[in-house]
Amino acid sequence: QSALTQPPSVSGSLGQSVTISCTGTSSDVGSYSRVSWYQQPPGTAPKLIIYEVSNRPSGVPDRFSGSKSGNTASLTISGLQAEDEADYYCSSYTSSGTYVIFGGGTKLTVL
Amino acid sequence: QVQLQESGPRLVKSSETLSLTCAVSGYSLTTGYYWGWIRQPPGRGLEWIGSIFHSGSTYYSPPLKSRVTISVDTSKNQVSLRLSSVTAADTAVYYCARVNYYGSGSNWRPNWFDPWGQGILVTVSS
Repeated sequence: QSALTQPPSVSGSLGQSVTISCTGTSSDVGSYSRVSWYQQPPGTAPKLIIYEVSNRPSGVPDRFSGSKSGNTASLTISGLQAEDEADYYCSSYTSSGTYVIFGGGTKLTVL
Repeated sequence: QVQLQESGPRLVKSSETLSLTCAVSGYSLTTGYYWGWIRQPPGRGLEWIGSIFHSGSTYYSPPLKSRVTISVDTSKNQVSLRLSSVTAADTAVYYCARVNYYGSGSNWRPNWFDPWGQGILVTVSS
């Protein structure tokens, strides 16, 4: 598998909630709790927002939450704000031999 | 506060070697952590290239392994990337990042990347 599967785009209105899925296999997401999520506003570097499936680094609002079920991890953003508009990437350790696998990215549009 | 800054030539000719440096400030490489390189072709997703420990222990992405060398200079507190025989497909923004990890040897497992440098766009020209 060359990449974790994410929807290319999602959208939501201000104040609403959106969920971005990240589907892998039993070689990565399904077997390890080493899923992380990154936020990348246009023209900037990725920023860690979730690590080890559901943990938030210091300074990341609690509007961002992560979970996992089977081979699919999810990022939920509640109370959408305009500044949440960005690309979001998931990542996981993989036992397939390539060590790290990223998702293809999801563009979040805040309406 | 840990800061990472990538530098190097922004234009490389096809078949030549891409060389970049990541200067780390606010944290000594010898304290711990792996340090990695990740790239992002224009308009596309992220790809892990490889990671290195201050001891010189390295892990590389298998598809790139034959062309990649990552090294560390603890006296300058910097990490370097060399990618040989580049083609247009190597045109990308190259990022360095600190790597949280678990284990060693065949049990090495990268956990997450934080923080990241601002990135540097390298274009391969024919």
